[in-house]
Amino acid sequence: QQPVQSPQAVILREGEDAVINCSSSKALYSVHWYRQKHGEAPVFLMILLKGGEQKGHDKISASFNEKKQQSSLYLTASQLSYSGTYFCGTESFNNAGNMLTFGGGTRLMVKP
Amino acid sequence: KAGVTQTPRYLIKTRGQQVTLSCSPISGHRSVSWYQQTPGQGLQFLFEYFSETQRNKGNFPGRFSGRQFSNSRSEMNVSTLELGDSALYLCASSFYGDRGETYEQYFGPGTRLTVT
Repeated sequence: QQPVQSPQAVILREGEDAVINCSSSKALYSVHWYRQKHGEAPVFLMILLKGGEQKGHDKISASFNEKKQQSSLYLTASQLSYSGTYFCGTESFNNAGNMLTFGGGTRLMVKP
Repeated sequence: KAGVTQTPRYLIKTRGQQVTLSCSPISGHRSVSWYQQTPGQGLQFLFEYFSETQRNKGNFPGRFSGRQFSNSRSEMNVSTLELGDSALYLCASSFYGDRGETYEQYFGPGTRLTVT
């Protein structure tokens, strides 16, 4: 079952902040965040691991609530380049290896 | 370091035909995953290969298959194509260690398959 992302879409002005949420019904080992611009491949942003470790961008922050199986991506002081569709990918404990289940995506548009 | 490459980039096939897509991972990456992306269903996991072995498989019919070669290059095959198979097929490679650590995935540009 795929994780649920909210909101589905958001429009911001440059400089505004946004939060994108990702919620799963399964116990999670890790949460990955990717951004995809139109016509391009998804690009890695961040990994959040069970136990609190994070790997990723300096300018993007995220949180992972293991008990609630939820993650949030925080985009602060948004820039035009932040526009795109954001996907969370979740990794569960009962999978051997590298298997991500992606949410439906959040479309973010930043306007001047 | 060269990125993930996929060939061909675009493909048009007819219902009932079969198709083979190719993916070359980043040098040193041993894990290759395949995803199907459509406007309605989003990014859906097809399967993942590591050291020539399929470790995970998504919820797709048996018409979808794949393999990985000793140099980590991977192919996926779709037989008896249906209109609903029209999609962007993305390949992603990852440096996956043997200790079960998780690493980021690097996506290729995808193959746009259109079935008519």
